[in-house]
Amino acid sequence: DAKTTQPTSMDCAEGRAANLPCNHSTISGNEYVYWYRQIHSQGPQYIIHGLKNNETNEMASLIITEDRKSSTLILPHATLRDTAVYYCLPLSGAGSYQLTFGKGTKLSVIP
Amino acid sequence: GAVVSQHPSRVICKSGTSVKIECRSLDFQATTMFWYRQFPKQSLMLMATSNEGSKATYEQGVEKDKFLINHASLTLSTLTVTSAHPEDSSFYICSARVPGGAPQHFGDGTRLSIL
Repeated sequence: DAKTTQPTSMDCAEGRAANLPCNHSTISGNEYVYWYRQIHSQGPQYIIHGLKNNETNEMASLIITEDRKSSTLILPHATLRDTAVYYCLPLSGAGSYQLTFGKGTKLSVIP
Repeated sequence: GAVVSQHPSRVICKSGTSVKIECRSLDFQATTMFWYRQFPKQSLMLMATSNEGSKATYEQGVEKDKFLINHASLTLSTLTVTSAHPEDSSFYICSARVPGGAPQHFGDGTRLSIL
């Protein structure tokens, strides 16, 4: 599986867009980019995933660069409840479906 | 959306006790479930992959005789921590994969404290 690099922590003002970057330069052609978040003392929550194209759902948008070596998760209007650790996870479209969690980015949304 | 239920949410027990944690997929059948452990201020570490009707696959360094996994039905996997000791105190989390390649969904975790 590809390795990922994410900032250790980020702050975002409430109501502003939170842009969380992830570097996955060794991602292979069949690996999707998945994003999860973990609010304190809870299990991880699925946010979004994509392969090549940009994706949007009710929670967030995912922008994947054309070379697929990096991506950005965008929370368009961050709220205090978005404070969490955000994980970027490459996952093959076939095989074991095992998720390997790195350290993620601790996003703090500030009032 | 897919829901995974984990029970109990918190357990406090004496050293030497065996503890069973249940993981249920509530609205879908999960042929594969995963068990993770998370120590304070650390990330989730995969312990084992649980396959319905067959033996679990354990990650390197995880004792299969210590952490017994049973996946007897398509909606239930259990993790039993046998003869638990204080060093087994941790946050245990399960996940289930929706068939067809959809993302894994996680339970809310079980905080295990061994005195």
